[in-house]
Amino acid sequence: DGGITQSPKYLFRKEGQNVTLSCEQNLNHDAMYWYRQDPGQGLRLIYYSQIVNDFQKGDIAEGYSVSREKKESFPLTVTSAQKNPTAFYLCASRVSSGGYNEQFFGPGTRLTVL
Amino acid sequence: GQNIDQPTEMTATEGAIVQINCTYQTSGFNGLFWYQQHAGEAPTFLSYNVLDGLEEKGRFSSFLSRSKGYSYLLLKELQMKDSASYLCAGPSGNTPLVFGKGTRLSVIA
Repeated sequence: DGGITQSPKYLFRKEGQNVTLSCEQNLNHDAMYWYRQDPGQGLRLIYYSQIVNDFQKGDIAEGYSVSREKKESFPLTVTSAQKNPTAFYLCASRVSSGGYNEQFFGPGTRLTVL
Repeated sequence: GQNIDQPTEMTATEGAIVQINCTYQTSGFNGLFWYQQHAGEAPTFLSYNVLDGLEEKGRFSSFLSRSKGYSYLLLKELQMKDSASYLCAGPSGNTPLVFGKGTRLSVIA
């Protein structure tokens, strides 16, 4: 079955540690996205990538980094510079960024920084 | 950038009909998406309107008026499992979808 996988579902880290969240898709989609969602809040875009080896900052990129070395994979690193990293992180993908293309979401990773 | 507005919360009774509105700036969007998100889960696709008018899919319908920058999601015969957040989102050119903050719907007995 095609889809997007994120692992792990729950992640705990100590303050000051970097942590990398994985996102893999086998939908052959060009575009991939990372969102952050806080309780009672909407989706805020962290980074996105429209093609392999290229990515752009979203609205809240500070304290995060990404890479897009393979079409299938778009890992997100939450660095110690991120002031309040505890949140629900969602990865998504689309065939491409333009026009009518349904966006598919992974199951999410809930990160808790202790 | 584009602004999308939706009510924060709504409550409706099981079996009833509820309409969730979404307004946006009229320039730039190529239609409108609706997603459903249950607490702690990922959003799932409900509908996409690119032309004006109403599109019906079972108990859910979505309406779009491009000239007014207005859309709504209509849920009929409400069930308890419909309690969720409903997000509207607009595709704008070659940029990522712009999401509203979501409307949290509570269905009560």
